Amino acid sequence: DIQMTQSPSSLSASVGDRVTITCRASQSISSSLNWYQQKPGKAPNLLIYAASSLQGGVPSRFSGSGSGTDFTLTISSLQPEDFATYYCQHTYSTRRTFGQGTKVEIK
Amino acid sequence: EVQLVESGGGLVQPGESLRLSCAASGFTFSSYWMSWVRQAPGKGLEWVANIKQDGSEKNYVDSVEGRFTISRDNAKNSLALQMNSLRAEDTALYYCVRGGGNFVSWGQGTLVTVSS
Repeated sequence: DIQMTQSPSSLSASVGDRVTITCRASQSISSSLNWYQQKPGKAPNLLIYAASSLQGGVPSRFSGSGSGTDFTLTISSLQPEDFATYYCQHTYSTRRTFGQGTKVEIK
Repeated sequence: EVQLVESGGGLVQPGESLRLSCAASGFTFSSYWMSWVRQAPGKGLEWVANIKQDGSEKNYVDSVEGRFTISRDNAKNSLALQMNSLRAEDTALYYCVRGGGNFVSWGQGTLVTVSS
């Protein structure tokens, strides 16, 4: 199975900061990579699909990039409502795998 | 409005079985792959299984292969997960999710606790 590794596992940032989260696949997955946001007690919310496409209704401060094995989620200017845990997930094969998550906390 | 409502969770002992159900509404159920995703308390998301629109293809994470069975009834707009030989590490909130990969619509989850 394809393994997904996120870094860092957690980070502290301030409102207005630019935040970057990295996801690495154990093999090439082309652009078959999604990003989700999850807040405590809630189901995850799809932010980015196909590595760089913004899901409808998601603010434009979120962006995704990458292909092959290395991917990045960027929040251009962190807002109070963005403090949450973020997960990457591949869709390259039928056995979908999530990364372990990155918790974004308030500095 | 898409609605996914899970049921069937509870407390069971190791080795026992449990059947989860998901009632779907607000979309053409038979047109979508469906999936189960779980989340252990305080832990990350884990994809568990998915099933093709007509049930002809099913996929599982290695850790549940041979113990869990995903199924669907398109006439009743329902998804199921039969879980046998449950282990402590299966303790989690189980989400029913529309789709095979891009998970836009999620249920609220049903909690499964495996403990003696």
